[in-house]
Amino acid sequence: GENVGLHLPTLSVQEGDNSIINCAYSNSASDYFIWYKQESGKGPQFIIDIRSNMDKRQGQRVTVLLNKTVKHLSLQIAATQPGDSAVYFCAEMIGGFKTIFGAGTRLFVKA
Amino acid sequence: EAGVAQSPRYKIIEKRQSVAFWCNPISGHATLYWYQQILGQGPKLLIQFQNNGVVDDSQLPKDRFSAERLKGVDSTLKIQPAKLEDSAVYLCASSPSRSGGMNTEAFFGQGTRLTVV
Repeated sequence: GENVGLHLPTLSVQEGDNSIINCAYSNSASDYFIWYKQESGKGPQFIIDIRSNMDKRQGQRVTVLLNKTVKHLSLQIAATQPGDSAVYFCAEMIGGFKTIFGAGTRLFVKA
Repeated sequence: EAGVAQSPRYKIIEKRQSVAFWCNPISGHATLYWYQQILGQGPKLLIQFQNNGVVDDSQLPKDRFSAERLKGVDSTLKIQPAKLEDSAVYLCASSPSRSGGMNTEAFFGQGTRLTVV
């Protein structure tokens, strides 16, 4: 399969540690944010979302934090596993229509 | 539930040739997107359909790219003529209709990898 993360920022973590992936978004009018995971040769896959009226949302092993003051989004993965290795994209949605993707971060999980 | 289907999976063409990609979204999804993903970058929205109408095509290079969704279900994206810089993965995605102003995430297909030589 193809390598979608060839030139992306990379985060390397030990298996079992927590991972934090950061994202700066561009538009203060964005009202909905999504984190996607993309494995080689596959399309992006939804992980977790958050609306602009929230500052934190938790899923299974994942937490998204939103700081609208500095237009910053983060994804926290607890007890990172080898299967979490992928490229992670944040995406912002404006007005319910246009979805804009960030540049992405490649996560390496060392066994 | 079947996912978003795309074909072909891979395509290699020479510059100045034409190419077409096909997408069948998840059944019942009113919104369909075409994205271009250049190696090492995030997906870039080319065009968004709501049923068979275009919602956003501001980043579609209309001199060479065209897309249609005639019956509001499946869609085709065409490039004519292709340039070297069109080499990328073309992703199709779909999402349910918006209701009550709620945003929803997009479900992506595996993409078509285009190489222009």
